[in-house]
Amino acid sequence: KAGVTQTPRYLIKTRGQQVTLSCSPISGHRSVSWYQQTPGQGLQFLFEYFSETQRNKGNFPGRFSGRQFSNSRSEMNVSTLELGDSALYLCASRRDTMNTIYFGEGSWLTVV
Amino acid sequence: GESVGLHLPTLSVQEGDNSIINCAYSNSASDYFIWYKQESGKGPQFIIDIRSNMDKRQGQRVTVLLNKTVKHLSLQIAATQPGDSAVYFCAENIYNQGGKLIFGQGTELSVKP
Repeated sequence: KAGVTQTPRYLIKTRGQQVTLSCSPISGHRSVSWYQQTPGQGLQFLFEYFSETQRNKGNFPGRFSGRQFSNSRSEMNVSTLELGDSALYLCASRRDTMNTIYFGEGSWLTVV
Repeated sequence: GESVGLHLPTLSVQEGDNSIINCAYSNSASDYFIWYKQESGKGPQFIIDIRSNMDKRQGQRVTVLLNKTVKHLSLQIAATQPGDSAVYFCAENIYNQGGKLIFGQGTELSVKP
């Protein structure tokens, strides 16, 4: 059974640009969450989607957005990139509320 | 407030010894706790979890203990191996907050051969 798959694994963007990251959850998992990991702030929750609806949102500016498709795949978008957005962006999935949360390998974003 | 904190940022143990990694949480509403292992350049890997209606749960070479009275969580790794070297995170979850996890700062475990 395939795990959580994230693409791309590595990318470099310029300040002011936007970026879209993709996540395919484990088959059968309907919940997808996104996290940002930086050395200074650690792992921080961005948002969660369940059945195409945003169920929860962390304390990030509106430049960070996401969506979920009918097949449970999810994308997150960061617009007007800033140097501080450089981070490892992690996607996690779970079957439903009562189940274990599994993470993907992440997408490394560098903003220059 | 919302916070999950680890007591020790680094832990160095000898191969074959047992390791204990500690974690404190502050939200009494948290009802689900997870330990993750993260190796360099990789995403967090699920190790073991425990729900608030339990005090102890065992896996393969790992045991998680939950003390709700003092809001403390620990991960015990038996017969620690070099492959166990990584950063370990505890995370807490509140049922009505869906998949939102609050992570601790992490403890780096170093195993000396």
